[in-house]
Amino acid sequence: AQSVSQHNHHVILSEAASLELGCNYSYGGTVNLFWYVQYPGQHLQLLLKYFSGDPLVKGIKGFEAEFIKSKFSFNLRKPSVQWSDTAEYFCAVNRESGGYNKLIFGAGTRLAVHP
Amino acid sequence: DSGVTQTPKHLITATGQRVTLRCSPRSGDLSVYWYQQSLDQGLQFLIQYYNGEERAKGNILERFSAQQFPDLHSELNLSSLELGDSALYFCASSRSGTGSGNTIYFGEGSWLTVV
Repeated sequence: AQSVSQHNHHVILSEAASLELGCNYSYGGTVNLFWYVQYPGQHLQLLLKYFSGDPLVKGIKGFEAEFIKSKFSFNLRKPSVQWSDTAEYFCAVNRESGGYNKLIFGAGTRLAVHP
Repeated sequence: DSGVTQTPKHLITATGQRVTLRCSPRSGDLSVYWYQQSLDQGLQFLIQYYNGEERAKGNILERFSAQQFPDLHSELNLSSLELGDSALYFCASSRSGTGSGNTIYFGEGSWLTVV
């Protein structure tokens, strides 16, 4: 089945630690890839997106993600996390199918950063 | 602020009742999406409209319906509500409904609690 997989459901880090959240998708063909963040009690906000070109994408708040087509992956990274990065992170894939876009989300990864 | 406006922000209602959630897309966006976020199901795509026409259906129950009006705002109607319908309902919008490079922006959501 076509899906978006986020392997880490909960991640706990100390401030200044490095972060990498995994995302794999199973769609073939052309896809657009996104990471969204949801801070506690808030709505989904776009962190970064990949449409084409340089597979290393830089987003807001120091986040970046690398698209590796051969691995069907789009992992999110940040060299040094802060307490304010505590949130839930969603990987999403936008695949055109039947003449429309449908954004499919992974299950999310809850990140807790301890000071 | 994504530019997508949802009302109401919070709603408490009884089982068996019917509610309507309203969404105004970003200025210039023609496509509206509805998503349901619950603890057990995660983020689920419900339905998409483009310029007034239904474009895609996801995991939307028959008790639920939606429409997009000529002014492009959308309403999600939830009827015969059950306890399990308690969730955060997100509306999102995008410039078009198709094509690569189409970024989808989310509203702040409507919290529905069914008691």
